[in-house]
Amino acid sequence: KNEVEQSPQNLTAQEGEFITINCSYSVGISALHWLQQHPGGGIVSLFMLSSGKKKHGRLIATINIQEKHSSLHITASHPRDSAVYICAVLMDSNYQLIWGAGTKLIIKP
Amino acid sequence: ETGVTQTPRHLVMGMTNKKSLKCEQHLGHNAMYWYKQSAKKPLELMFVYNFKEQTENNSVPSRFSPECPNSSHLFLHLHTLQPEDSALYLCASSHDGSGNTIYFGEGSWLTVV
Repeated sequence: KNEVEQSPQNLTAQEGEFITINCSYSVGISALHWLQQHPGGGIVSLFMLSSGKKKHGRLIATINIQEKHSSLHITASHPRDSAVYICAVLMDSNYQLIWGAGTKLIIKP
Repeated sequence: ETGVTQTPRHLVMGMTNKKSLKCEQHLGHNAMYWYKQSAKKPLELMFVYNFKEQTENNSVPSRFSPECPNSSHLFLHLHTLQPEDSALYLCASSHDGSGNTIYFGEGSWLTVV
């Protein structure tokens, strides 16, 4: 079992839908990252959070430390949101990043 | 534009070739990383340099050889690679190695034939 599990692995939705991507982890962490990878390969950091909730535009990230779970939400989804969304956790023991396998999101017009 | 630039973006090399990937960051960061991303697998950390010193080598085969001449530049020297080494190689940087926000380059797509 991976230390960081993302679900779903693949998600296809219609433009305008509310999207939720989940990340569960099994190690002690000091922070969790959400990143976005477009088909060209480049990765962009979306959020780094250690508690509560952060919002940036149509993106919202939440984390529940007790339940070892985080969610990334996209409101009013758009085809340009199509990408792979990756969760990574920063271990509190050695500052190593453990990566999830990613969720491939396709938003259809 | 993330401030981390990788070249080349695409590279095709034979198993007997020697080539290098280059990464440059303009963010004033002190930590730089090489990651390998294979299809449908999580990113694999290969090397970490913190203040130009290599602090992490995740059991990477010796056919991959990193070089960090200064805190702004990172190279990955490649020789006698195998077809299974074909992947996306991503360079990243952060302020230091303690888990601050990481900034990634666009990646170098490597195909070994």
